[in-house]
Amino acid sequence: NAGVTQTPKFQVLKTGQSMTLQCAQDMNHNSMYWYRQDPGMGLRLIYYSASEGTTDKGEVPNGYNVSRLNKREFSLRLESAAPSQTSVYFCASSEFTGGASDTQYFGPGTRLTVL
Amino acid sequence: QKEVEQNSGPLSVPEGAIASLNCTYSDRVSQSFFWYRQYSGKSPELIMSIYSNGDKEDGRFTAQLNKASQYVSLLIRDSQPSDSATYLCAVIPHQTGANNLFFGTGTRLTVIP
Repeated sequence: NAGVTQTPKFQVLKTGQSMTLQCAQDMNHNSMYWYRQDPGMGLRLIYYSASEGTTDKGEVPNGYNVSRLNKREFSLRLESAAPSQTSVYFCASSEFTGGASDTQYFGPGTRLTVL
Repeated sequence: QKEVEQNSGPLSVPEGAIASLNCTYSDRVSQSFFWYRQYSGKSPELIMSIYSNGDKEDGRFTAQLNKASQYVSLLIRDSQPSDSATYLCAVIPHQTGANNLFFGTGTRLTVIP
């Protein structure tokens, strides 16, 4: 049981390049989330998927797209990377059966630098 | 106004002391509150969740919630050097989709041996 896995762990891009961050969970969770973490800003939600087949914008969605490929996988795409997207990206998942008591479990993170 | 406010610290306590971490939130009808611990270079991990007013204890950790004051705290008793980390307060506000968490910026705790 690996929990939440993310690939790659590290990535360096040039401005304008594109890439996809991959996330997978093996806990049969319904909901999945993408966050970015910047110094002094805390964790901020980019996009989330409450259930398979649905995606919604979070607090900072501009410059990103997501795909909920199936119940296990949720990818984050940067179409044209900008230096402002240099950050640590975390994927998370939770069971979310509709109640308030819902724990999110985080992956190990992807450290992205855009030059 | 940010949804969740924390004192960024750093907070330093001697080994064996009680560390007190505080958090305030802006949405009066928020219903769920969480404390995550994050070691440097690692991902957040859940320590405590609390949903009702009062205290909730788990080992050396106690979470306290006061909805009237919109205040949640985490006490760490008998602090150990291994408790040195950044502690993140997170809240699920009432009017959001799924169970979206809003995080504070975190308080860095150092336990001095």
